[in-house]
Amino acid sequence: DAGVIQSPRHEVTEMGQEVTLRCKPISGHNSLFWYRQTMMRGLELLIYFNNNVPIDDSGMPEDRFSAKMPNASFSTLKIQPSEPRDSAVYFCASSFVRQNKGQPQHFGDGTRLSIL
Amino acid sequence: GENVEQHPSTLSVQEGDSAVIKCTYSDSASNYFPWYKQELGKGPQLIIDIRSNVGEKKDQRIAVTLNKTAKHFSLHITETQPEDSAVYFCAASGAPSGRRALTFGSGTRLQVQP
Repeated sequence: DAGVIQSPRHEVTEMGQEVTLRCKPISGHNSLFWYRQTMMRGLELLIYFNNNVPIDDSGMPEDRFSAKMPNASFSTLKIQPSEPRDSAVYFCASSFVRQNKGQPQHFGDGTRLSIL
Repeated sequence: GENVEQHPSTLSVQEGDSAVIKCTYSDSASNYFPWYKQELGKGPQLIIDIRSNVGEKKDQRIAVTLNKTAKHFSLHITETQPEDSAVYFCAASGAPSGRRALTFGSGTRLQVQP
């Protein structure tokens, strides 16, 4: 059973470049979450989608960050232009959410992003 | 919004001993409390979860307890083994407002000494 698949696993790029992170959620899940993990701030939510619609993007740091979910099996997180402070591990997670009850979220193995 | 505090930040135990990690949450409307284990280079993996209508849940060597009145929940690992060494995160979500995303604690690095 395939889990959440993220690509690339590692990305090293220079400041100012555009970065695109990709995520394939578990088939049948209706919610997708993007998290960022740093030593200073821990795991924090950036944005989440329900049925491909962005529900809460209050965690997106600034306008340089954007996320899309064009269909139920694919999402992207884009940073343009990238800055060194964006260096972190970015995780995608998916879940099947019913009503207003929390449900298990399944995480991918993340993209380790380094901005030089 | 929700705030989750986790203690201790590091925990070292001898193989075979028990380990306990504690979390408190601020939003009394939260109703779902998962625990995740994260190994180096991997994403967080769900190990056990509990809902607000239950006080305790067990799965082999792992148990979680929830005290809704005090707004705290704990992870108990018995008969620890070296492969239990990892970072453990507690989380909370599911308020009636529809908050489905998880708010995580700051993590506990557990080291099991052989």
